[in-house]
Amino acid sequence: GDSVTQMEGPVTLSEEAFLTINCTYTATGYPSLFWYVQYPGEGLQLLLKATKADDKGSNKGFEATYRKETTSFHLEKGSVQVSDSAVYFCALIPGGGKLIFGQGTELSVKP
Amino acid sequence: GAVVSQHPSWVICKSGTSVKIECRSLDFQATTMFWYRQFPKQSLMLMATSNEGSKATYEQGVEKDKFLINHASLTLSTLTVTSAHPEDSSFYICSARDRTSGTNTGELFFGEGSRLTVL
Repeated sequence: GDSVTQMEGPVTLSEEAFLTINCTYTATGYPSLFWYVQYPGEGLQLLLKATKADDKGSNKGFEATYRKETTSFHLEKGSVQVSDSAVYFCALIPGGGKLIFGQGTELSVKP
Repeated sequence: GAVVSQHPSWVICKSGTSVKIECRSLDFQATTMFWYRQFPKQSLMLMATSNEGSKATYEQGVEKDKFLINHASLTLSTLTVTSAHPEDSSFYICSARDRTSGTNTGELFFGEGSRLTVL
């Protein structure tokens, strides 16, 4: 069935370090791909998305490219800040509208 | 962006009682809402899909008689945990899709979540 696999956390980085959170998926057809972020004590919010192969989603310095050949949608940021500390969820909509989440990756950025 | 509000944000109840959680889309109409359950340090588990004016579609393993979902209007869906027990304690999150968005590409807007603790 359709699924999303993320790298396990927690990930701890120093401020200004480079961030990569790996995400791979299994789905038939051409799903839409998303990254959601959950800051401490808050609800989920969409960070970025890509709806077709080779699309690059970007927002707040974060980027992710839809790679159909490797079924991946890795999240990257060149220089993280303490305020980026949160849980990041990779997700997909395979068709039919249901959003399927990965297990989430907790990011902790130290000053 | 669009706002989805959940109420209550936290609730404590005694075992055997029922608890209702509301999910409202404040500035858009949502023909479809989704209910998730999130365990500590884990991902969101989809419980059911709620369609306005029709019966909810439950995911495998979710007891429909335990978790009653009603989507009576384009801006409100409710989740009622009936005869709650301590194992029902969890963080429940709803999300809604703007009726004008595409099914597969449209953004989902999430509520803040409701933390249920059953004593």
